[in-house]
Amino acid sequence: GAGVSQSPSNKVTEKGKDVELRCDPISGHTALYWYRQSLGQGLEFLIYFQGNSAPDKSGLPSDRFSAERTGGSVSTLTIQRTQQEDSAVYLCASSFPAGRRDTQYFGPGTRLTVL
Amino acid sequence: ILNVEQSPQSLHVQEGDSTNFTCSFPSSNFYALHWYRWETAKSPEALFVMTLNGDEKKKGRISATLNTKEGYSYLYIKGSQPEDSATYLCALPPGSSNTGKLIFGQGTTLQVKP
Repeated sequence: GAGVSQSPSNKVTEKGKDVELRCDPISGHTALYWYRQSLGQGLEFLIYFQGNSAPDKSGLPSDRFSAERTGGSVSTLTIQRTQQEDSAVYLCASSFPAGRRDTQYFGPGTRLTVL
Repeated sequence: ILNVEQSPQSLHVQEGDSTNFTCSFPSSNFYALHWYRWETAKSPEALFVMTLNGDEKKKGRISATLNTKEGYSYLYIKGSQPEDSATYLCALPPGSSNTGKLIFGQGTTLQVKP
């Protein structure tokens, strides 16, 4: 079946502009996660959605970052007033069930470059 | 904050060599450990989820062991092939609540030379 898809695959933007990154999880997966990998760093947790529960936003690095998940499916990560330190690969993953022992399935990522 | 350490950071081996690398974590409050393989320009791919002390898992030429009492997991690759070149990541859930949030180590990047 179809895996997790993300768009765009690459995004180059100028400092100060807003960007939106999209994630389409595997159909039927109730949990959706966003992570990012900055240059020389490990994968860093950003935000987690599980069903209709309030999202866990504990990993968002600043209030310029926000995410929503519409209809329990597609998610959009928005970065406002982008800064150069936001340059990274942004990965989305989904899972079902959604526990700490459950495999997460990753998308191919969006490489964001902020000039 | 959960600290997940992986070593070495990078590794270069010849085709046919066997290799192994380590994921270290605090031994208290262990719930699960995930291993992923991330090839360049591809999605990270799940290898194993390990939950019990003494667990051993195998997938083809790749195997993993888990020691929760001393806080480490080893990943072994037998007879490395160029297609094994990738970054290998381990990750653990950070706390007692049963959510899927994972804390990742920095990864071990393996390069297998033909």
